[in-house]
Amino acid sequence: ELKVEQNPLFLSMQEEKNYTIYCNYSTTSDRLYWYRQDPGKSLESLFVLLSNGAVKQEGRLMASLDTKARLSTLHITAAVHDLSATYFCAVAPVGGSNYKLTFGKGTLLTVNP
Amino acid sequence: GAGVSQTPSNKVTEKGKYVELRCDPISGHTALYWYRQSLGQGPEFLIYFQGTGAADDSGLPNDRFFAVRPEGSVSTLKIQRTERGDSAVYLCASSLKTSGEDTQYFGPGTRLTVL
Repeated sequence: ELKVEQNPLFLSMQEEKNYTIYCNYSTTSDRLYWYRQDPGKSLESLFVLLSNGAVKQEGRLMASLDTKARLSTLHITAAVHDLSATYFCAVAPVGGSNYKLTFGKGTLLTVNP
Repeated sequence: GAGVSQTPSNKVTEKGKYVELRCDPISGHTALYWYRQSLGQGPEFLIYFQGTGAADDSGLPNDRFFAVRPEGSVSTLKIQRTERGDSAVYLCASSLKTSGEDTQYFGPGTRLTVL
């Protein structure tokens, strides 16, 4: 059974600081997603990472994937208040069930002025 | 273009009642998924449709849950004899197809409360 662990689960940071959210998963995968969820809203796709060493950046967010370590990171640079949200990683298993995403519990990020 | 839409946005029902939740995927998306998100948790997979057929319903918790997609577009998730433990946000997602770097696009969800 694929298990996905995120840490930290809660992150309170000041504006202009940098921080990293970690996503570990338990079995082989070659596809990992990061989503953002604002309170009471649905999930917004941020990144899809498809191969070992993949790195994608959008604004102040950068995501990377290390399939050998079964680890993805979401790095936040110079945080701003607008980044406050819950961030989820989701992992797709290899093989025939590669549509069945397993999500982490999410990281609630609060950026304080 | 329009995203995934779900109705109703909120549903309050009494224990033992029957409910239907509707999902309208992005036009042209052949794959449709239902997930359930409990408070403080990530979404959990329920069922996947490719076209009209349920290709994988392994995430449905029990036989009180059933979903259909008769014309390969709109899907309905049906819950019989609702229980308080069914209270959650039910999310629908769609994707263009299932292979490759297919991103699943999520709807706003239906918040189900069983009293």
